[in-house]
Amino acid sequence: EPEVTQTPSHQVTQMGQEVILRCVPISNHLYFYWYRQILGQKVEFLVSFYNNEISEKSEIFDDQFSVERPDGSNFTLKIRSTKLEDSAMYFCASDRGGSGANVLTFGAGSRLTVL
Amino acid sequence: GESVGLHLPTLSVQEGDNSIINCAYSNSASDYFIWYKQESGKGPQFIIDIRSNMDKRQGQRVTVLLNKTVKHLSLQIAATQPGDSAVYFCADTIGGSNYKLTFGKGTLLTVNP
Repeated sequence: EPEVTQTPSHQVTQMGQEVILRCVPISNHLYFYWYRQILGQKVEFLVSFYNNEISEKSEIFDDQFSVERPDGSNFTLKIRSTKLEDSAMYFCASDRGGSGANVLTFGAGSRLTVL
Repeated sequence: GESVGLHLPTLSVQEGDNSIINCAYSNSASDYFIWYKQESGKGPQFIIDIRSNMDKRQGQRVTVLLNKTVKHLSLQIAATQPGDSAVYFCADTIGGSNYKLTFGKGTLLTVNP
């Protein structure tokens, strides 16, 4: 079964450092997303991406965050200068879009710990 | 504002029993609802979805009920198995296939053998 893969599975970084989280969405999917889950809290929408541009973003997704699809397979989330409160599990997701039944498929997540 | 929340944070059932997990939403404009299962160390996994023009949808061992009058959603799991132990989230979105989902906090389902 096709899956969304994310790397790294866990990253520890110092406050103020830049972090890049990587995702390989399902190959025929067209829409890409990042969500995050702070420990013990609900999963929160960060950003959606389609046709090489951001289609929607939440208030969490401030100027410290950026997304990129540098090639035909990877989808990255960059945090320019990490803060303690960025510590969370970050989930990438994708869906094929279009009409009809389709589901949002999540990756296993990248745990970010900011010290 | 929009919010999706779960009534019970934990639910413990015996293997073989039926489980019912409840969810309330506040935005009457929500038109698409999804139940996800999250096992430890994994991402949310799609279980079943329902659109606002339906009030019931059945899958394999799972049924989702939608009551738009009281803005309530439930997930029923028949003959619960130990492998069903996980956190269950409901989520909603507005506007068709836009997957800007609003998740609830989750209900931890524990199945006792």
